[in-house]
Amino acid sequence: DAGITQSPRYKITETGRQVTLMCHQTWSHSYMFWYRQDLGHGLRLIYYSAAADITDKGEVPDGYVVSRSKTENFPLTLESATRSQTSVYFCASQRTGNQPQHFGDGTRLSIL
Amino acid sequence: TQLLEQSPQFLSIQEGENLTVYCNSSSVFSSLQWYRQEPGEGPVLLVTVVTGGEVKKLKRLTFQFGDARKDSSLHITAAQPGDTGLYLCAGSNTGNQFYFGTGTSLTVIP
Repeated sequence: DAGITQSPRYKITETGRQVTLMCHQTWSHSYMFWYRQDLGHGLRLIYYSAAADITDKGEVPDGYVVSRSKTENFPLTLESATRSQTSVYFCASQRTGNQPQHFGDGTRLSIL
Repeated sequence: TQLLEQSPQFLSIQEGENLTVYCNSSSVFSSLQWYRQEPGEGPVLLVTVVTGGEVKKLKRLTFQFGDARKDSSLHITAAQPGDTGLYLCAGSNTGNQFYFGTGTSLTVIP
């Protein structure tokens, strides 16, 4: 029962670099989400996907790109990283609407 | 836009004490969830409430959804060190897009 896994767990990069965070779920859940967690802000939704090839913006999408070519994968790309994107990023999946969201263990990203 | 405010932000209590965490909003939600998060891990769902005035109990934890579905509370009776963690509320009107509160960091001292 692998569930939902995120990689890498930790990443340090420099401003201007491109970085991709990976998320993989084994449940064939329809919905997948990317959040960032910052002190004082809680969890904020970046992007979400209702199914393969369907993605939509959340509360804070600027500077991020997502894709979902396969149901099980939902990578998040920072095309040109900025220091304000230093955060802990969480991926989550959900079977259908109103069902529980299941979270990965997060990726701690530091941008120098 | 932070739609959900939690209070208190930090709480440190002795084992055996009772506590209440509040989650307030000016917006109405069709459902509200409570999660607990431990360091280095993702949030884990504790409960979902969907009906105004609804009360749900999970062992020593009691969750209440306000009558107007704008607020919620989490009450813990006789807190244990294992209750230590970050408690997050999250509201939704669509069932698949949730707005999270700022969180309450609870420390229970043995």
